[in-house]
Amino acid sequence: EAGVTQFPSHSVIEKGQTVTLRCDPISGHDNLYWYRRVMGKEIKFLLHFVKESKQDESGMPNNRFLAERTGGTYSTLKVQPAELEDSGVYFCASSQGNEQYFGPGTRLTVT
Amino acid sequence: GNSVTQMEGPVTLSEEAFLTINCTYTATGYPSLFWYVQYPGEGLQLLLKATKADDKGSNKGFEATYRKETTSFHLEKGSVQVSDSAVYFCALSGRGSYIPTFGRGTSLIVHP
Repeated sequence: EAGVTQFPSHSVIEKGQTVTLRCDPISGHDNLYWYRRVMGKEIKFLLHFVKESKQDESGMPNNRFLAERTGGTYSTLKVQPAELEDSGVYFCASSQGNEQYFGPGTRLTVT
Repeated sequence: GNSVTQMEGPVTLSEEAFLTINCTYTATGYPSLFWYVQYPGEGLQLLLKATKADDKGSNKGFEATYRKETTSFHLEKGSVQVSDSAVYFCALSGRGSYIPTFGRGTSLIVHP
């Protein structure tokens, strides 16, 4: 069974540009989560989808971040416009029960 | 609020050495405690967990005991291998919550 996949694995963009990160959860998992780890710091929760609905988006840092999960399958996280402080590793996870399964992350570098 | 503090890395050990990575937490009530591991190029994996005081989680030779009196959940392994090189994250989740609060991660480097 395929695990959680994320694309791209690494993205380098300039300040002010737009980037879209994609997460494909494990097939059949209704819950999808986004997290972010800024260099050397904690992994922070961003938001939680149940199917296509946002269950909890309390961790989204500001309105430059937009997450979608149309059709309740894959999810995208768009950053527009990107700022230097958005650099970090963005993790996606999915679950059907208590345990979350994480993807390898997307490393975003904003220069 | 909830928080997790773990020792800074990197921790560098020789193969077969004893490993301890310290983790302490602050939380209300009785959280569940976790250790996650991220091997190079892979996603975070749940390594072990404990859901109540004095529980010991164990997996792949790693152990951690939920110590409520010291609010700690230190990770230990008696004899590390090169393949254990990874980043280890301590985490907790409160009752009724599936969203973990993570520590900063500790990088472990094991050399032959």
